[in-house]
This record gives sequence, C-alpha cells and structure tokens, in this order.
Amino acid sequence: GQNIDQPTEMTATEGAIVQINCTYQTSGFNGLFWYQQHAGEAPTFLSYNVLDGLEEKGRFSSFLSRSKGYSYLLLKELQMKDSASYLCAVRPFSGGYNKLIFGAGTRLAVHP
Amino acid sequence: DVKVTQSSRYLVKRTGEKVFLECVQDMDHENMFWYRQDPGLGLRLIYFSYDVKMKEKGDIPEGYSVSREKKERFSLILESASTNQTSMYLCASSFPGGQGQPQHFGDGTRLSIL
Repeated sequence: GQNIDQPTEMTATEGAIVQINCTYQTSGFNGLFWYQQHAGEAPTFLSYNVLDGLEEKGRFSSFLSRSKGYSYLLLKELQMKDSASYLCAVRPFSGGYNKLIFGAGTRLAVHP
Repeated sequence: DVKVTQSSRYLVKRTGEKVFLECVQDMDHENMFWYRQDPGLGLRLIYFSYDVKMKEKGDIPEGYSVSREKKERFSLILESASTNQTSMYLCASSFPGGQGQPQHFGDGTRLSIL
C-alpha cells in the first residue's frame, strides 16, 4: 500500500525554527513535493526533492533521505504568515501521469 | 503565473441532485486532477485526465464521473449527490511528470449536500 505520515499539528514561536517531518512507504519513488495551504485557500508549491540532500529556498529548506523514506521541511525565522497547513506529497511513478499521493498535512500555528 | 479557476467557491445542493463542478486552467497543461479534501484524510484523488477525452480513475471514483472535452477544462460530476459527498473539492493541473513538475491548484469548491 501507499502511506505518508506527518504530524497532525505543531506550534512554534515567531522568529524561531521549526522542522516538519514526513515519512513515506510507497510502491515507488520519483520525487517528493512540499505544499503550503492557508485556511480556505489553494495549496501552493514550496519545494521538490528527488535526490538525497538538502534543497534551500530562502527561509524554507527541504531534506530527503530515500533510503530512510524520510523528508523534512525546515522553516527559519518564522513569521505569523507561516501559520498554515504543510502538505507532503510523493510521486510514486515515473512517466507522464504525474500522480501524487498526499499526506494528511501538518497544521502549523505560529505564536508571537 | 498559472491560473486554475474553479467555477464556485461555495455550493449547496440537495441529496439526489446531479452536480457539476467546473475547472479551467490557462497554462496548456496536459494533466488535470480532481481531489477531495477532508479533515484528517488529506487530499484524495478522485479522477485525473492526461489528455482531451482521456480519463483515469483515482483512489475514490465511486459516485463521481468526469468530462474533458477541451484541454483547458475538466469537469467533475456527482451523478446523484449524497450527504457523504459533502467536502472541499480541489482541481489541479500540471505538465506531464518530468523532473519537478508541480501540480497547480485552484482555490477549491466547498460543497454541501443537504
């Protein structure tokens, strides 16, 4: 089967660093995506990892270990606007369909 | 910027009605997807399409059908709406699955079936 696990909720303080973990067990692996979704809005693409290691984009970084079936999203210098749900998604198959399997999402609350 | 537009943000229908949800994208994407999003369950794929008139079932297709007559438009149809289809419905589109091609989402339709 296909399974993606993330913590349901996390809280953090403005200005701090938070790490959101994602573990996956899928029939194949051809990339992992992180999305941000504010309440009542569309998910928006944050990052993509297909090789092991860290990808950095400003305040956000994403890490992948394929051998461990593990990824994390690191948010630095947290701001109140980072309060949102963060969705981890795996593309298990190669080819044109580009299907994704999503985790249930992690709701992050940033406090002053 | 990619624009995926869903026809309604909020919709209220009655049990047994036939319901149409429309989605239009402006980026000439080959792939289009319909998901539903429920608390604690995340996004679940209902149907997707990889070309005009082509469709594939996702993980939860029962009670739904789709139509793709034009490349930019993908419609989700609830043949006979039931209360367990009350949910947030999200449409997405993307290019074929090359390296790092993300799916781009619409704002969603919150559908209530009474």
